[in-house]
Parts: sequence; C-alpha cells; structure tokens
Amino acid sequence: DAGVIQSPRHEVTEMGQEVTLRCKPISGHDYLFWYRQTMMRGLELLIYFNNNVPIDDSGMPEDRFSAKMPNASFSTLKIQPSEPRDSAVYFCASVDRGDEKLFFGSGTQLSVL
Amino acid sequence: GNSVTQMEGPVTLSEEAFLTINCTYTATGYPSLFWYVQYPGEGLQLLLKATKADDKGSNKGFEATYRKETTSFHLEKGSVQVSDSAVYFCALSLTQSSARQLTFGSGTQLTVLP
Repeated sequence: DAGVIQSPRHEVTEMGQEVTLRCKPISGHDYLFWYRQTMMRGLELLIYFNNNVPIDDSGMPEDRFSAKMPNASFSTLKIQPSEPRDSAVYFCASVDRGDEKLFFGSGTQLSVL
Repeated sequence: GNSVTQMEGPVTLSEEAFLTINCTYTATGYPSLFWYVQYPGEGLQLLLKATKADDKGSNKGFEATYRKETTSFHLEKGSVQVSDSAVYFCALSLTQSSARQLTFGSGTQLTVLP
C-alpha cells in the first residue's frame, strides 16, 4: 500500500480564500484523523471519523473549519475563509479498527498570507 | 481527562551519548503507550509501543518501559547517532467502542552532533 496520501504538499494562499486539503487513507482502515501542527500549540487533534462518520469534532477551532468523509477512501478539510493564523502543517492519519498504530501522511504545509 | 507530559527540549547530544526523554501520563482507565518519531519534512511514524504495565517496547536501539506505579514511559537509547535527530512524541491511546482517545505530548526536539 502507498500509505496515507495527502495533497497538496504545500499550499500558499491569501487571507480570505477558501482552502481544501485532501486525504486518502490506507485501504481498509476505518478510522481517519485530522491533526494540525504548529510551533506554539504542538500537535492538535481537529476531528476524527469512524467508518466515514464524524465521531469527535471538538478540536475544530471555528466554524470556518469543516471536514467531510464522503467515502472510505477520501476525506477533505476545508477552511473558508482562511486567515494567517491558520498557517500550519495539517496531517491526516488512519488506523485499522483492530490496531492502535497510527499511519500519518506527509502533511500539507499551509501558508496564509 | 487524559494528558501526556514530555520533557521539554530541545535536547542536543554528541554522537554515542546516552539519551533519555522523560514522559509521564494521566489517564482514566488502562491506556496503551507509544513513542512516535517525526523526521524533518515528514509525518509521524510509530517508533515503539507498550500495551500493559511492565511491558517494554523496543525498536532501532530505543527502549521504553510502561511503569504504572510512576505513570511513566521514558524513552532511552544507549548510543545515539546523527540520524536519530528528529522530534519525538510520547502518546497514549484509550479505546472504548467506536471512540478513540489519542493524546500526544508536545514533542521533544533531539539534535545529535557528529
């Protein structure tokens, strides 16, 4: 398997623009997590899904953030409108129900100018 | 609630030095404990894990023992290499039904100098 695939690898946008981050989990994994990493706050869990259903979105910072998982092989994290303080690395991770080892993607480096 | 407290970095060592990165946790229930490593420009990778008290996880020369009495899971390596330079995260996991509680520490930056 190719592992967890995230796109784009880097995103530079201007304040106010919509940003969409994409994730393809490992086939067969039924949990998917979105994390945000910054120097100030470290690694933060934003939301996670089980079998495409959002289980806990308490980490989503504001209504500007939304996440979807329309099927088992695809998820998106959308920020609309984006702000400079959203600049961070966003990671997607997946795990199999019977395991506890998280597999992370390479992340999306987001810069909002 | 659940939490993980890690030794603050950055940590700078010379090659072949002994490494300890402290990690303590608080949790309701009986968590599994993990160390993840993040190399520059990459996502986190599992380094080792332990699922119950007194278990020792080991990988690539790194070790950590699950100590329930001190609620600790300290990471150690007897002789570090330049290639070990990375950020290390301690984490705990609790699973109840479909709910997964994964909590990461703040990470410890390790730099190993030749």
